[in-house]
Amino acid sequence: EVQLVESGGGLVQPGRSLKLSCAASGFTFSNYYMAWVRQAPKKGLEWVATISTSGSRTYYPDSVKGRFTISRDNAKSSLYLQMNSLKSEDTATYYCARLRWSSFAWWGQGTLVTVSS
Amino acid sequence: DIQMTQSPSFLSASVGDRVTINCKASQNINKYLDWYQQKLGEAPKLLIYNTNSLHTGIPSRFSGSGSGTDFTLTISSLQPEDVATYFCLQHNSGYTFGAGTKLELK
Repeated sequence: EVQLVESGGGLVQPGRSLKLSCAASGFTFSNYYMAWVRQAPKKGLEWVATISTSGSRTYYPDSVKGRFTISRDNAKSSLYLQMNSLKSEDTATYYCARLRWSSFAWWGQGTLVTVSS
Repeated sequence: DIQMTQSPSFLSASVGDRVTINCKASQNINKYLDWYQQKLGEAPKLLIYNTNSLHTGIPSRFSGSGSGTDFTLTISSLQPEDVATYFCLQHNSGYTFGAGTKLELK
């Protein structure tokens, strides 16, 4: 059974940094592209980042490019999201997702990030 | 950027009803349209990928259709457990989600 468990969320001040983690199990992690998707409170969904199987290729929307960095450790079956220069509009639940081709086929339960002073 | 217009925003239907939800893309996205279901307090779940392919474990009452710019999710016979918000997603160029359709029981 595919399992994705996010951690690392919490309350952080604007301008500070936070690193999210996602522990994967139930599948061969190194075979799949992975992604982060976020959802602001009571709002819709927004794609945040995607990483290739080896980690050599990463993709971001303009809203986070230059501030967020996605990475992975295939030996640990773990996905990460380093978030710098956080803004209030980054407040959201962040979901880790396993891709099937380019669809978000499996999702974790999410971790809440609140950016506030 | 590709915009996705989802309709209706809210839908009320009875058990056994046929339900349809629509998404319109601002430009041609070929077949690269998914549908996701999100129940209250839960993570989204993939239902349909690439317009009409049913994801693993999804009941056959869910189906998808369309091409180019206009797409539809159909629930052939609404069940109580289908109460949720439904989102479309285009992945032809980057990713753009629709705003969602909240489905409730009448």
